[in-house]
Amino acid sequence: GDSVTQMEGPVTLSEEAFLTINCTYTATGYPSLFWYVQYPGEGLQLLLKATKADDKGSNKGFEATYRKETTSFHLEKGSVQVSDSAVYFCALSDNYGQNFVFGPGTRLSVLP
Amino acid sequence: ETGVTQSPTHLIKTRGQQVTLRCSSQSGHNTVSWYQQALGQGPQFIFQYYREEENGRGNFPPRFSGLQFPNYSSELNVNALELDDSALYLCASSLNQGALETQYFGPGTRLLVL
Repeated sequence: GDSVTQMEGPVTLSEEAFLTINCTYTATGYPSLFWYVQYPGEGLQLLLKATKADDKGSNKGFEATYRKETTSFHLEKGSVQVSDSAVYFCALSDNYGQNFVFGPGTRLSVLP
Repeated sequence: ETGVTQSPTHLIKTRGQQVTLRCSSQSGHNTVSWYQQALGQGPQFIFQYYREEENGRGNFPPRFSGLQFPNYSSELNVNALELDDSALYLCASSLNQGALETQYFGPGTRLLVL
């Protein structure tokens, strides 16, 4: 079945450091790919998405590119802030949006 | 605009009992999905309802069942509770079905099975 693998956390960075959180997937067909974020004490929120190969999703300075050849959707940000501390989930859905698969999450802590 | 709400926030049950969790979707949203999130793990898709019909299902046994009402609110029912059912149950609504639709998540119901 479909699956999502993420780098294990926790990831601890200093403010203004570069962030990469790796995500790879296994899926039949052509899934849509997502990054969700869960800030402390809040619910899951969509951060960005990409629906086809080579698409780049971006939001709040975060970016991820849908790489079909490497089945990857790595999350990047050039300069993290303390307020980016959260748990980040990579996810995919089938073409019909009828089956969603989430990765285990990566906890990010940004220190001032 | 009211977001996705869930009730109750916390619940304690014993093994073998039955539980009903409730979700009110965001205004105008006709699609509701349910997820189970065990501690330290990502959410696992249980099923999705679109216009009162089940529209997709994850790898969960039949004792997990649901309903969607004409106002698009939804219930998740779990029969014959097991200890492993202890988790955070998340509800998410979207404007319509489909992979392109953004899901808006509720705060969850934390269920503890003793």
